[in-house]
Amino acid sequence: AQTVTQSQPEMSVQEAETVTLSCTYDTSESDYYLFWYKQPPSRQMILVIRQEAYKQQNATENRFSVNFQKAAKSFSLKISDSQLGDAAMYFCAFIGSNYQLIWGAGTKLIIKP
Amino acid sequence: DTEVTQTPKHLVMGMTNKKSLKCEQHMGHRAMYWYKQKAKKPPELMFVYSYEKLSINESVPSRFSPECPNSSLLNLHLHALQPEDSALYLCASSPTKVTALGGYTFGSGTRLTVV
Repeated sequence: AQTVTQSQPEMSVQEAETVTLSCTYDTSESDYYLFWYKQPPSRQMILVIRQEAYKQQNATENRFSVNFQKAAKSFSLKISDSQLGDAAMYFCAFIGSNYQLIWGAGTKLIIKP
Repeated sequence: DTEVTQTPKHLVMGMTNKKSLKCEQHMGHRAMYWYKQKAKKPPELMFVYSYEKLSINESVPSRFSPECPNSSLLNLHLHALQPEDSALYLCASSPTKVTALGGYTFGSGTRLTVV
């Protein structure tokens, strides 16, 4: 069975600084996708970034980038130049051959002004 | 239109009431999902519809009854709920169940309180 682990229940960062959120996963599959979703207090689950397992190049979306280590089954999210609007719950998620999202427990990100 | 719209945003209902949650998308997606989310927890999958047919029911109690009348609309009918059913109910869609590999689009949810 696939599992996703986020070991940091809460992280805080000073505005404009860089923060890294950790995620590890376990699967025996070789073809899958990984995601980071953001859920602000407004409640909507917003896709931040996705990574296809067959791609060695790390995905980037503006200030958001991932460090994907397939052999280590690690998928961390780096947020550069943190902004107040980045404050949210961040969920790491996996999708494989059953086409259903497997979620991590989430990390609450606090941005200090 | 790249949105999933959920109504109502908030709902308070008594344990003997019957109510419905509505989810609508106009992206041409043929897979739609209902999730239940408790505070500070990840979403839990409830139902999956694929091409308007119920594909997955994750052992959800019968007091929750899903319906997919057409490819754009997904309803969740609620009856005789319990206080522990109070949660955020999220709807999501993907192009198809298989192409969900690219990720889902989520609505902003209905905050349900059962009194």
